Parts: sequence; C-alpha cells; structure tokens
Amino acid sequence: NAGVMQNPRHLVRRRGQEARLRCSPMKGHSHVYWYRQLPEEGLKFMVYLQKENIIDESGMPKERFSAEFPKEGPSILRIQQVVRGDSAAYFCASSPYGDITEAFFGQGTRLTVV
Amino acid sequence: EDKVVQSPLSLVVHEGDTVTLNCSYEVTNFRSLLWYKQEKKAPTFLFMLTSSGIEKKSGRLSSILDKKELFSILNITATQTGDSAVYLCAVETNSGYALNFGKGTSLLVTP
Repeated sequence: NAGVMQNPRHLVRRRGQEARLRCSPMKGHSHVYWYRQLPEEGLKFMVYLQKENIIDESGMPKERFSAEFPKEGPSILRIQQVVRGDSAAYFCASSPYGDITEAFFGQGTRLTVV
Repeated sequence: EDKVVQSPLSLVVHEGDTVTLNCSYEVTNFRSLLWYKQEKKAPTFLFMLTSSGIEKKSGRLSSILDKKELFSILNITATQTGDSAVYLCAVETNSGYALNFGKGTSLLVTP
C-alpha cells in the first residue's frame, strides 16, 4: 500500500504563473487535508476535502487559491498568479475517516516562485 | 488565537546524550496533542496524547502531557545520529481535522 503521493516534489514558477500541486491519497482514504509550511514557520492548515466536497477551507487565502478532490483522480491545490510569498512547502495528508489524528502525510511539494 | 510554542528551536547534542523537547499550548477546545518526526520529508507520527500524566513510550522515545499546565515533553534517551530531525508538536482541537503546529525543534545528533 503506497503512502500518500505528492507531485511534483519540487516546482519552480515565475511570478504570475499558475502552480498545480497534486496529492494522491493512500488507498481507501477518502479524506484529504492540505497544509502549508512557510519558511521558519509551523505547518498551517489550509483546507479539508472529502471526495467531491470541500468541507472546510477556512485556512485558504481568499484569492488565487483553490482546491478540489474529484471523484476520480488526485486532489489538486491550484495557485493562480503566484507571488514570491507563495514560496513554501505544501503538504497533503489523507485519512480513511475525517480524523486528522489517523492521517498520513505526503512528502510535500516545495514551491519556489522566482 | 490558538498558539503552540516549541522550545528550544534548535539543539545540538552528542550521540548517547538524553534530550528533552518542550511544547506548550494555548488553545480552545483541546482534544489531543501529537508529536511528529520530520526528516526533510513527510512528517511521521510518533505519539498522540489525550490524558494527563500517562507516559507514552516507544523504544528510546517517550512523551507525557500535563493538561493543567498546558504542556508536553518529548524525551529521547541514548540519542543516535538517526534521531537528527525536526520534531513537530501539534494540537488537535474540536474541529477534528485542523491541527495547530508549533514551529518545530531541530535536533542534530553528532557522532
């Protein structure tokens, strides 16, 4: 049973471009959580999704950020018109039920905006 | 605003030493406290603590929670170079899905 898979591991984007980060949950997991780790900061909750539903996006910046978890395929975190301040490590976690304490984290995508 | 503070932020020790990492918190609706180890990749789960005074142990690692004083400690005895990592403390509140993380303690164990 493969772990939580995130890709790409590293992503470089120029200011103004779009960044798409993918997260494939563990087999049998239908709950996905996205966290962001800014330099010198702790992980911050962004969004919690179940298949086809956004349950809580209270941690998402109001503009340019969106997330989805379609019926088929990975969860996607999309950042439009990236700015330097978006440079961070983005971690995804998945769990079989809606309990973050049972979640496994992926290895993260490190986004660098140049 | 919920707050989780870890100390020290970084630590360098020699192999064989014992270390104590600290985590204090101020949150509303506390449910549990979790410790993770992060080695430049996925945070991996170590312990979950919900009750005061009950020590959780796994090999050379142990942890305990004090809900009255709002803190937890993570002990590592007889440290090895493989223990070098960032140790993260996180608090779960009643939301059940949003963890509040501290900034982590970076531990370096030298041979």
